[in-house]
Amino acid sequence: EVELVESGGGLVQPGGSLRLSCAASGFSFSKYGMSWVRQAPGKGLEWVSSITGSGGSVAYADSVKGRFTISRDNSKNTLYLQTNSLRAEDTAVYYCTKYLGTSDTSYRTYEFWGQGTLVTVSS
Amino acid sequence: DIQMTQSPSSLSASVGDRVTITCRASQSIRNYLNWYQQKPGKAPKLLIYGASSLQSGIPSRFSGSGSETDFTLTISSLQSEDFSTYYCQQSYSNPISFGGGTKVDIK
Repeated sequence: EVELVESGGGLVQPGGSLRLSCAASGFSFSKYGMSWVRQAPGKGLEWVSSITGSGGSVAYADSVKGRFTISRDNSKNTLYLQTNSLRAEDTAVYYCTKYLGTSDTSYRTYEFWGQGTLVTVSS
Repeated sequence: DIQMTQSPSSLSASVGDRVTITCRASQSIRNYLNWYQQKPGKAPKLLIYGASSLQSGIPSRFSGSGSETDFTLTISSLQSEDFSTYYCQQSYSNPISFGGGTKVDIK
């Protein structure tokens, strides 16, 4: 059974940093691309960042580029999101997601989601 | 960047109703369109991928259609557990984008 468990969220002051983690199990982790998607309170879904299975290619939303860094440790089956220079508008539940497949319409399609971890940026 | 526009933003319906939600892309995304259902306080769930492929375990009352820029999610006979918010998402290219959501509530 696939499981994605996020951790690392919390309350942080503007300008601060947090490292989010997503522990994955139940599938061949290194085979699949992964993404972080966030949802501000009462708002819709916003893609944040993606990484290929090997970790060799990454992508970021303009809203976080230069401040957030996605990475993965395939030996530990864990996905990370380092968040720096946090702003109030980064307040959201951050979800870790697994791609459905490795090609065509299954690629960048989010088959499994974690339960989310809440990041609150406030003084 | 590709913009995704969903309509309506909300609708009221009754159990047994046929419900249709539309999603329009700002440029052609071929069939790289997915639909998700989200209930309050829960993570989204994948319903439809590739515009019309039903995800494993999803009831057949859900269906998707469309290509290029115009897409539709249809619930053939609304059930009580279907009252949720629905999102479309394009997986054609980065940056990935979602529609604004459609909240389906009880009439």
